[in-house]
Amino acid sequence: DAMVIQNPRYQVTQFGKPVTLSCSQTLNHNVMYWYQQKSSQAPKLLFHYYDKDFNNEADTPDNFQSRRPNTSFCFLDIRSPGLGDAAMYLCATRSGDEQYFGPGTRLTVT
Amino acid sequence: GESVGLHLPTLSVQEGDNSIINCAYSNSASDYFIWYKQESGKGPQFIIDIRSNMDKRQGQRVTVLLNKTVKHLSLQIAATQPGDSAVYFCADANTGFQKLVFGTGTRLLVSP
Repeated sequence: DAMVIQNPRYQVTQFGKPVTLSCSQTLNHNVMYWYQQKSSQAPKLLFHYYDKDFNNEADTPDNFQSRRPNTSFCFLDIRSPGLGDAAMYLCATRSGDEQYFGPGTRLTVT
Repeated sequence: GESVGLHLPTLSVQEGDNSIINCAYSNSASDYFIWYKQESGKGPQFIIDIRSNMDKRQGQRVTVLLNKTVKHLSLQIAATQPGDSAVYFCADANTGFQKLVFGTGTRLLVSP
């Protein structure tokens, strides 16, 4: 059974139109991450939550926001997507040394 | 700032050969490293990890070596199979910061 679930798997949005990606976990892990991965590049951490504590990476654009309403769910909001935001967005969870990635959502911006 | 880097972007091997993927890191305080395999269109998948108090750790067909003196780690895959074709990332999973810093990635191509 999938432990980290991302919906949708593929998302198409228009330039400047807000979009939300979602992640849920069945592991009850206290840490959740959002990564951006562009083609042929390593995943780049955008932000992470330790429980309800939000930790933003210094170079994450303001265009990217996140919400974690409860332990199981975490959302990535892109307020005004640009063409450069087209990428795979990966959600991950962690508890101690256990860490799992979701399958990712591939975002296309038209 | 910290960086975790890989020496070779692409490694091509024949089926049955042993593969070695290398990774260098810069943070001497790093205490925990993970190797991930990422197949096309999928999220990274945990392969093996190693703590800084170890030099070597073995799994099924995989071995990770850690040389703290030169801040280098490697992933060895024995008897490489076509199903091993993927991009491999090393990551610094410093337990103190709860963050993963990924290396650049090496694409492993296994030909029959």
